[in-house]
Amino acid sequence: AQKITQTQPGMFVQEKEAVTLDCTYDTSDPSYGLFWYKQPSSGEMIFLIYQGSYDQQNATEGRYSLNFQKARKSANLVISASQLGDSAMYFCAMRVRGYNKLIFGAGTRLAVHP
Amino acid sequence: ETGVTQTPRHLVMGMTNKKSLKCEQHLGHNAMYWYKQSAKKPLELMFVYNFKEQTENNSVPSRFSPECPNSSHLFLHLHTLQPEDSALYLCASSQDPLTERGTGELFFGEGSRLTVL
Repeated sequence: AQKITQTQPGMFVQEKEAVTLDCTYDTSDPSYGLFWYKQPSSGEMIFLIYQGSYDQQNATEGRYSLNFQKARKSANLVISASQLGDSAMYFCAMRVRGYNKLIFGAGTRLAVHP
Repeated sequence: ETGVTQTPRHLVMGMTNKKSLKCEQHLGHNAMYWYKQSAKKPLELMFVYNFKEQTENNSVPSRFSPECPNSSHLFLHLHTLQPEDSALYLCASSQDPLTERGTGELFFGEGSRLTVL
């Protein structure tokens, strides 16, 4: 069975500091993709970053990077230089190649303090 | 308009009403999805359509009835709902996963917030 686990219901960080949001996953399929989405209070889910299971390097997108540790089955999101606008819910998700659905974790609510 | 558009953004209905949620995507995608997001729960996949054909029904009660007339439009027809059905309903689209060359990411609309009285 495929599963995503986010163990941090809430996190807070000072503005301009870096923060790591944890995500572990479980699948027996060797081909999969891992995603992080941001959900502000408006409700829309915004795609942030993607990591494929065969990618050799950790994915980066601007201030977002994904710390992919395949042996540990973890895909933590690192946000550098936090901004007030980063306050939102963050969801980790997984998709097994060939299946058209994303499985989401419970989410982590991030609060950035000035 | 671009992306994924959902209407209405907010809906209040009684348990005996019949209403519909609409989703439209302008991204040329072939797969569309309905997710339910309740308070303090993970996103729950409800339905998946691929090339207008339903490929997944995640044990959703029959009071929710999806319709996908073409690859760009997806509806969720609601009737005799319960108060526990109050939630944010999110529509999403993606490329056909069996032929995709990209990441297969889902593009979401802003959601329809439903309140059942």
